[in-house]
Amino acid sequence: GAGVSQSPSNKVTEKGKDVELRCDPISGHTALYWYRQSLGQGLEFLIYFQGNSAPDKSGLPSDRFSAERTGGSVSTLTIQRTQQEDSAVYLCASSPTGGESYEQYFGPGTRLTVT
Amino acid sequence: GNSVTQMEGPVTLSEEAFLTINCTYTATGYPSLFWYVQYPGEGLQLLLKATKADDKGSNKGFEATYRKETTSFHLEKGSVQVSDSAVYFCALMDTGRRALTFGSGTRLQVQP
Repeated sequence: GAGVSQSPSNKVTEKGKDVELRCDPISGHTALYWYRQSLGQGLEFLIYFQGNSAPDKSGLPSDRFSAERTGGSVSTLTIQRTQQEDSAVYLCASSPTGGESYEQYFGPGTRLTVT
Repeated sequence: GNSVTQMEGPVTLSEEAFLTINCTYTATGYPSLFWYVQYPGEGLQLLLKATKADDKGSNKGFEATYRKETTSFHLEKGSVQVSDSAVYFCALMDTGRRALTFGSGTRLQVQP
């Protein structure tokens, strides 16, 4: 079946602009995660959604970052007033449940470049 | 807080050599441990996992044993192939937080 998809695959934006990144999880997966992968910081957790529960936002680096998940499926990560340090690959993952032993399936990522 | 430390790369080996990539962790409670692999141009994919002490995860000839006494989860393969060239990430998920904490990744290059 279809895996996790993300769009766009690449995004170049000017400093100060807002960007929206989209994630379509695997159908039926209740848990959805956002991570980012950057040269300086490695792979970092950003935010986690589980069903209809309040999201775990503990990894968001600043209040310029926000995310929502509509209808328990598609998620959008929004970065406002982008800065050069936001340049990274943003990865989305989903899993059948939020339990520890369930595999997280990762999408191909969106490469964000802030100029 | 949680953390994962893995050996610096790149690791360069000849085909059929023995591979070890060291991974140690710091966590409260009893985390689950994972190895993820990222092949060139592809996304992260789970290689193997172990959910409790002394469990051994294995897949595609790779193995790792959850050692609570040494807080380690070293990745091993007896005979590497060129197709194993990739970046390998050790990760943990603790009992409270559902997110993965990753190590910095180790690039493996296997030469024919």
